[in-house]
Amino acid sequence: DAGITQSPRHKVTETGTPVTLRCHQTENHRYMYWYRQDPGHGLRLIHYSYGVKDTDKGEVSDGYSVSRSKTEDFLLTLESATSSQTSVYFCAASLSLDTGELFFGEGSRLTVL
Amino acid sequence: KQEVTQIPAALSVPEGENLVLNCSFTDSAIYNLQWFRQDPGKGLTSLLLIQSSQREQTSGRLNASLDKSSGRSTLYIAASQPGDSATYLCAVRKAGGTSYGKLTFGQGTILTVHP
Repeated sequence: DAGITQSPRHKVTETGTPVTLRCHQTENHRYMYWYRQDPGHGLRLIHYSYGVKDTDKGEVSDGYSVSRSKTEDFLLTLESATSSQTSVYFCAASLSLDTGELFFGEGSRLTVL
Repeated sequence: KQEVTQIPAALSVPEGENLVLNCSFTDSAIYNLQWFRQDPGKGLTSLLLIQSSQREQTSGRLNASLDKSSGRSTLYIAASQPGDSATYLCAVRKAGGTSYGKLTFGQGTILTVHP
């Protein structure tokens, strides 16, 4: 058990509405990540965090923002959801940025109509 | 830019066979390579992590090797079982540069083990 839980696990929303996905971890990992997984594109990094209130962009960060107010929680927000953001979102965590093993949550399936 | 390729894209084998999944990467400046398993509708489960200084790692029926200089890793699964059916992904973590610690994933190998 990687100790990473995501909520909600499934969500259907309409274009233009804000959406927040939550990731909670219990293993005191310093680094946390948000990925999206799409057919034909594989896993792509959206944003990551290297500590409380410390975040940075990944390769597909446009349209997304993140926040980390506590070590255990990492939030991903879509300010105004678009159909292109329909995807499966995965949260991950690791103890270190270089040699650390990466652990994943179960994923959140988001559908934007 | 790091590129990770997994061959084959799909593999179907009868139960009991030993099999090899391949992962190749273009930039040898890596910290480590990690193999994952993903079941349909589920998250990724870490199988093995090989640091750049290591040659191989073993866990049960799984053995992963790493040849950093040639940019290759293999995942060996012994005595395959239907429960091994899943998508297997490899990922390499970049060392140094502007993408410090960035993880690049392969597209995965879909494995089906039939009884």
